[in-house]
Amino acid sequence: ILNVEQSPQSLHVQEGDSTNFTCSFPSSNFYALHWYRWETAKSPEALFVMTLNGDEKKKGRISATLNTKEGYSYLYIKGSQPEDSATYLCAFIMNYGQNFVFGPGTRLSVLP
Amino acid sequence: DVKVTQSSRYLVKRTGEKVFLECVQDMDHENMFWYRQDPGLGLRLIYFSYDVKMKEKGDIPEGYSVSREKKERFSLILESASTNQTSMYLCASSLGTGGKLFFGSGTQLSVL
Repeated sequence: ILNVEQSPQSLHVQEGDSTNFTCSFPSSNFYALHWYRWETAKSPEALFVMTLNGDEKKKGRISATLNTKEGYSYLYIKGSQPEDSATYLCAFIMNYGQNFVFGPGTRLSVLP
Repeated sequence: DVKVTQSSRYLVKRTGEKVFLECVQDMDHENMFWYRQDPGLGLRLIYFSYDVKMKEKGDIPEGYSVSREKKERFSLILESASTNQTSMYLCASSLGTGGKLFFGSGTQLSVL
């Protein structure tokens, strides 16, 4: 069974702080890495789909980087806002592209 | 607007009952998935389907079966519900290999 890890498990920051979390995944048989945001009482929504080593993606104040050779991805949030409070999930997709293996998530709480 | 609809938001069933969870997507996606989410664990794949009448076991298929008679509909069946199947169940769909997942709003199932 593949192991996808995320750290930290949870995080409390003040509004305006910048923060980052890590997703670690197997460095072999890589196909893609996804990031999802899951707000309470809503469905998980895709943030980024990353496929190439060295990929950097940005969406507003949120950005992500990818290192497939060492098996990690970072998600950064600049100037956190209360509406950023959510669980952030990463999903590792192997080279045949059908099975998404999710990490346990990082629960972010942004305090006003 | 793309949509994945799960038939029930909350469901309470008795041990031994047969339970059907329905999922419908309106995006003409080939791939559909059933996950369960438990506290402290990532989303775990139960079954997925990449075409009508096709199904593949995920990581935790025991105690579950699925049906995909039409492209837009993917049903999860608990043949004889047990208390350890109390969980949040999420349906998702995607287009193509490794495409981002679109999730339903989830069904919180309690088996008493």
